[in-house]
Amino acid sequence: GAVVSQHPSRVICKSGTSVKIECRSLDFQATTMFWYRQFPKQSLMLMATSNEGSKATYEQGVEKDKFLINHASLTLSTLTVTSAHPEDSSFYICSAKTGSIPEAFFGQGTRLTVV
Amino acid sequence: QQQVKQSPQSLIVQKGGISIINCAYENTAFDYFPWYQQFPGKGPALLIAIRPDVSEKKEGRFTISFNKSAKQFSLHIMDSQPGDSATYFCAASGQGASGSRLTFGEGTQLTVNP
Repeated sequence: GAVVSQHPSRVICKSGTSVKIECRSLDFQATTMFWYRQFPKQSLMLMATSNEGSKATYEQGVEKDKFLINHASLTLSTLTVTSAHPEDSSFYICSAKTGSIPEAFFGQGTRLTVV
Repeated sequence: QQQVKQSPQSLIVQKGGISIINCAYENTAFDYFPWYQQFPGKGPALLIAIRPDVSEKKEGRFTISFNKSAKQFSLHIMDSQPGDSATYFCAASGQGASGSRLTFGEGTQLTVNP
C-alpha cells in the first residue's frame, strides 16, 4: 500500500506552548488528508478533513483556532496544537487519500504529552 | 445513521483457530468497507476492503463476508497466529454529504494465545 509518514512519533511539550505535527504522503498525491485523535482503547475520532489548497473542515466540537491545519501541497499536511494544555495529551493520527479512490492510508501516529 | 456497530469488543482465540469480528451499518449510501489492523502505539494499517457488489473477498488468511441486505459485514481470520494480536477496526465510507470520510467501528481487541 501507499506510504504515509508522520513526524514526530512522540513529543513532549510544556503547557502553553505550541507543537506542530507533519504528515507526508511519500509515494502518492494526497488530495485529501484527515486528522484523528485517539484515546486509549477507543476508536479514532475524526477532528478535521483538509483538501489541498483549501481550508480544513472541522468536526463539531473541535476548536479550529486551537488545532490549526494546513494542507498547502499534495504531499504535506500539518497539524499545529496551539497553546497546548495537559488535556490535549493524546495520540494524533493522520491519513491521506487521493482523488475519488476510497483507500485511505494512515501515518504512524504522534503521541503528544503536555506537561 | 452514520454509525458502524462493531462486535465483540474483545476476543480471545487459540492459535490456529478462526477469529470472527462483525460489523453492522445503517447508511445505505456506504459503498466501501475496509478493515484496519492497529498495533499499540502505531497507526492503523489497511488490511482488506470490500465493495458491496461482491459478497466475499479473500486475501491470504483474511476474508471479508458482506451481506448487503442485512447491512452487515465481517472479518474472518483463518489459522489465527499470536502475531495477529492487535486491535481491529471496521469502517465504512460512501458518497453523499459525508464525502469520503471513514466512519469507524468501536474496535475489537484480538488476543491469540500460543
